Formats: sequence, structure tokens, C-alpha cells
Amino acid sequence: DTAVSQTPKYLVTQMGNDKSIKCEQNLGHDTMYWYKQDSKKFLKIMFSYNNKELIINETVPNRFSPKSPDKAHLNLHINSLELGDSAVYFCASSAPETQYFGPGTRLLVL
Amino acid sequence: SQKIEQNSEALNIQEGKTATLTCNYTNYSPAYLQWYRQDPGRGPVFLLLIRENEKEKRKERLKVTFDTTLKQSLFHITASQPADSATYLCALHSGAGSYQLTFGKGTKLSVIP
Repeated sequence: DTAVSQTPKYLVTQMGNDKSIKCEQNLGHDTMYWYKQDSKKFLKIMFSYNNKELIINETVPNRFSPKSPDKAHLNLHINSLELGDSAVYFCASSAPETQYFGPGTRLLVL
Repeated sequence: SQKIEQNSEALNIQEGKTATLTCNYTNYSPAYLQWYRQDPGRGPVFLLLIRENEKEKRKERLKVTFDTTLKQSLFHITASQPADSATYLCALHSGAGSYQLTFGKGTKLSVIP
């Protein structure tokens, strides 16, 4: 069973479009995250949710909106996509002191 | 400002040798430090955690040291194998709120047969 899953795995879209990425974890964790990994492989936190509540919101354009319908799911919606949004987006969930990452969603904005 | 630096972007090493990766940080007082492995096209996978009051931690062929005076962690892989080739990321726990981690940029290790 996959612990942290994301869909889609690949996303190719035009500038200006709106897209969503979904994340689900079956580990029973209360805390989930979205990270962005850019072309230089730098992994940077975007958002963190604890039990469906937003607890970390780094400096991210407000075109990015996370949503947690329940504590097992954390989705990321991106409005008006820009070229600079091209990256790999990772979802993660955490137990105390360990984070479990999903396989990533490779977003390419043309 | 806070910084995490993994000194080498890439490290090549002969099979069987010990690989040593470095993670330095400034303006942090981390409660603990973690090392992750990331293979191409995959998410990071947790390897080891070391706390601020621990000097060394081992797991099979892996060893991590943590020197809070030098603000440095060293990650060693002994008897390295080609299968150890991957990018290794260090991550600091800031201690603020949840379990938030801040990652270094990683070191890409290549073990040459």
C-alpha cells in the first residue's frame, strides 16, 4: 500500500490555466505538507496543515491555495499558472520527527 | 539569515570506499537534524535522525555525526556500493511549531564500480 500518493504524476499545461494536484496519505498522520522542488533541486516548504488547519504558509503567491477536506487529504490548487511555476511538487505527511514524501507531481507550464 | 549548506553539489567515489557528505548551518539552533535520500524521479526517503544532544548515530553502513559547536553534521556511508548513488539531503528541524523541516540543496553521490 502506498503511504503517500499524489495525482497526477505529470502535468503539462498552458500559461494562465488553473490546475489541481491531489494528495492522500494512509498513515494516520495529523500533519501534511506541500513542498516545491525547483530545477536546481532545492526543496522548499510551501504549506503545512495540521488536522485540516493551516499552520505554515511560507511566502507563496496567493495563486496557490491548499485545501484539506480531511486529515488524510491535502490538495493544491494553482490559479493562473506561470512559467516559473514549473517544478516538482511533493506532498508529505509527518509522524513525530520523520516525514514521508509522495512520489511528486512534475508540473510543466508552457 | 538562516542558511543550510551542503558543501558539495556532487561527489564521486570509488566502490568500497567511505563517502563523507557535509552539512553546515548558520543561525539555527536545531532540535534535531535528519538525512534523506532522493533517487531521480522520486520523493525523499528518511534515513537517519540525530538530536542536538547526540554526537553520533549509526544504522547499518550509515553513520551521522552532529557537532552543534561547529554547526555541522557529517554523513558517512562505509563500503559504498553503486546502489548508494543518489542525492542526499540534510534537513534541520527549526523547533518552531509542528515538525517543519528546512532542507539543504543536497549532494549528488555517484559510486563508481
